[in-house]
Amino acid sequence: ETGVTQSPTHLIKTRGQQVTLRCSSQSGHNTVSWYQQALGQGPQFIFQYYREEENGRGNFPPRFSGLQFPNYSSELNVNALELDDSALYLCASSFWTSVSDTQYFGPGTRLTVL
Amino acid sequence: QKEVEQDPGPLSVPEGAIVSLNCTYSNSAFQYFMWYRQYSRKGPELLMYTYSSGNKEDGRFTAQVDKSSKYISLFIRDSQPSDSATYLCARYNTDKLIFGTGTRLQVFP
Repeated sequence: ETGVTQSPTHLIKTRGQQVTLRCSSQSGHNTVSWYQQALGQGPQFIFQYYREEENGRGNFPPRFSGLQFPNYSSELNVNALELDDSALYLCASSFWTSVSDTQYFGPGTRLTVL
Repeated sequence: QKEVEQDPGPLSVPEGAIVSLNCTYSNSAFQYFMWYRQYSRKGPELLMYTYSSGNKEDGRFTAQVDKSSKYISLFIRDSQPSDSATYLCARYNTDKLIFGTGTRLQVFP
């Protein structure tokens, strides 16, 4: 077990709705990253938060947004849901340095958009 | 060309076999690589990470990086049915991991 938890486990939404996914980082970690994993694909980087500031962003539109809280828990918000947003959403926590970032993943939230 | 390429498989081997899983990468700027194992409907589990070239061994697992050919490999000795999973290679790049598509491995008794 990595100590990284995510909620909820599963979620079903309809197109156009908004969703908030939550992640609790492993103790001692200062960084959280979010990834989207479509079926049969590797995880795709959404963004990373380091000490409550966005530290990098992948090729995702602004309707994907995030927050990191002082206790290093995090949220991923997605507005105006589209059918293609259906995927497994993974958060990963780490102790980031400029030369390494060993990331430990949570179990994921499976989002279905109808 | 994708930054990290991986044969999706599936790869099916008998119990006890030596398994070789491979990835190629296109950008030589960073030399920090990871292997994750992902069981169905679960999050990826870190198996090994390695810097630069050479081998790193952990129990039945050996990770190998060949900088000259931009090739990374994971070898599993004495494979077990419990090793049946998808194996993801990843390259670290500043603020993110760049993953391959994963190779699905099945070890049959």
